[in-house]
Order: sequence, then C-alpha cells, then structure tokens
Amino acid sequence: DAGVTQSPTHLIKTRGQQVTLRCSPKSGHDTVSWYQQALGQGPQFIFQYYEEEERQRGNFPDRFSGHQFPNYSSELNVNALLLGDSALYLCASSFAGGIVSSPLHFGNGTRLTVT
Amino acid sequence: KQEVTQIPAALSVPEGENLVLNCSFTDSAIYNLQWFRQDPGKGLTSLLLIQSSQREQTSGRLNASLDKSSGRSTLYIAASQPGDSATYLCAVLLGGAQKLVFGQGTRLTINP
Repeated sequence: DAGVTQSPTHLIKTRGQQVTLRCSPKSGHDTVSWYQQALGQGPQFIFQYYEEEERQRGNFPDRFSGHQFPNYSSELNVNALLLGDSALYLCASSFAGGIVSSPLHFGNGTRLTVT
Repeated sequence: KQEVTQIPAALSVPEGENLVLNCSFTDSAIYNLQWFRQDPGKGLTSLLLIQSSQREQTSGRLNASLDKSSGRSTLYIAASQPGDSATYLCAVLLGGAQKLVFGQGTRLTINP
C-alpha cells in the first residue's frame, strides 16, 4: 500500500519563474493538504483540497495556487518565485468521511531552491 | 490565533537517558494533537496521536500526554538510543478543514 508520494524530490528554479509540484495521496484518502517548511521552522499550512475544491487556505499570497484531480491527486503551483519561497513543500493526505480528526499522512516532500 | 511552542529548541543527552519534550498551545479548542519525527531533509513520520478526549497514548518507548485545560503536551522517550536523534514536532489539529498548526520543533541528539 503506497503512502503519500510527491514529485519531484528536488527542484532548482530562478526568481520570477513558475513551478508545479505534484502529490498522490495514500490509497483510500480523498483530502490533500499542502504545507511549506522553511529551514529550521515548523511546517506552515498553505491550503487544503477536498472534492476538487479549495476548502481552506492559510496566510499565503495568491501566487500559491492548487488543484485537485478526480483521482484525488493534487498539484501546487507557485508563480513569480521569490528567494523566500525556498523551502521543503510537504503534502499530507487524509480521509474526510465526516471524521474531522482522522490522521494526516505526510509525503517526503519536495525541496525547492530558488536562486 | 492558535500558537504552538516547543521547549527546548535543542536537546543533547547521553544514550540510555529518559527524556521529556514539551509542547504548549494557546487555544484549547483542538480536535487532536500529534507528535511527529522528522529526519534531516525528510518528511514527517507520525509517532503518536492523542484525540482531544484522551489523556495519553503509548507506543513502545514513547508516551505522550495531553492536558487540554492547561494547553500542554509532553512526549516522554524512555531509554534513549542514538537512532532517536531527529527533530520532534508537535502539532494541533484545528476543526473545519483538518488544519495542523505546528510548533518549531525540538532537535534531539542522543550521544553514544
């Protein structure tokens, strides 16, 4: 049973460019959340997708956008990259099913470096 | 606004010691609290999850407690081993959209 998978594992981009990160949730999960973890910090919530809709959003600018596909996989897009966007981007999946407190399972993340 | 604080930020102890990591949160309206382990450059591995109605959870050498009224949780690690060296993060789950709010972590080093 595959867990949460993210691609790519590492990415180097230049300021001003755009990037797309991908996430496949754990089998049986229907909800995907994205987190940004700067070096030495705890992860910060970006947004969550459920039923192909953005359900909640953290304190991130509109340059951060996402999408969820019918197979529950998800993409995170970041436009007009800034040096400060360099971080580990983590995807977490869970099963909504009316259970608010079901456990979240995390992938290994995508390390984005902006130069 | 929910804030989560972990103390200490870093801890170094000799192998075999028992130790306690602390986590505090400002708003007691949480659904659950999770402790995670993170190895350098890696993702998060869930260690223990305590539902808001529970007081503690145990897994092997790990024991986590939760006191919602005081906004505190502790992670107890017994008989520490060098393989326990990692960053330990606590996070509280807020209602609605399953949003986790994390502390900044405690970087733990176990010396052989």
